[in-house]
Amino acid sequence: DQQVKQNSPSLSVQEGRISILNCDYTNSMFDYFLWYKKYPAEGPTFLISISSIKDKNEDGRFTVFLNKSAKHLSLHIVPSQPGDSAVYFCASYVSGAGSYQLTFGKGTKLSVIP
Amino acid sequence: DTAVSQTPKYLVTQMGNDKSIKCEQNLGHDTMYWYKQDSKKFLKIMFSYNNKELIINETVPNRFSPKSPDKAHLNLHINSLELGDSAVYFCASSQTHTNEKLFFGSGTQLSVL
Repeated sequence: DQQVKQNSPSLSVQEGRISILNCDYTNSMFDYFLWYKKYPAEGPTFLISISSIKDKNEDGRFTVFLNKSAKHLSLHIVPSQPGDSAVYFCASYVSGAGSYQLTFGKGTKLSVIP
Repeated sequence: DTAVSQTPKYLVTQMGNDKSIKCEQNLGHDTMYWYKQDSKKFLKIMFSYNNKELIINETVPNRFSPKSPDKAHLNLHINSLELGDSAVYFCASSQTHTNEKLFFGSGTQLSVL
């Protein structure tokens, strides 16, 4: 039962262009969403998050958009750089739940071509 | 100075053996976790400890036993290893159990032969 889905296992983008990574969720109770980035042989690192009370959150080159009615969020990276090549995980959770835990998607491998 | 460190990085062992993975965080965080990334690449939570107390215990075989001697350490002991236990195991920590920003270790690749 995949509550968080990243349907694109991989994505290739030219350096300088926009990268758009997508994520869908099925659990309508999720109210907080995060993106993590993972390089090979390293653990995931927190990138950016968004609460369900917002529809956009921006941090430098990274912007996350949330469409609650569609249960969809996306991560935009502009401009893409070769150092952005990594696996990006979408994650969600229900805030205020008695036991807090993240549900992760399978990840999308982004390759930024110089 | 590594924030969340886990050892060993690689672990190759035979079926039926018992093994342990150690994790330490120097961030002063209250909460620590064990996640498993299986062959399908899903990262799934196994356990969470808050100030040495178990707060999340997902459906994990009881061959897996976490131990938290203090809030900076969370070790994972696995008895009677099976082929299906082969995966990458990640330790993580967060400031509190309601903080979504997790800091992960670099993972332990367990291969059971």
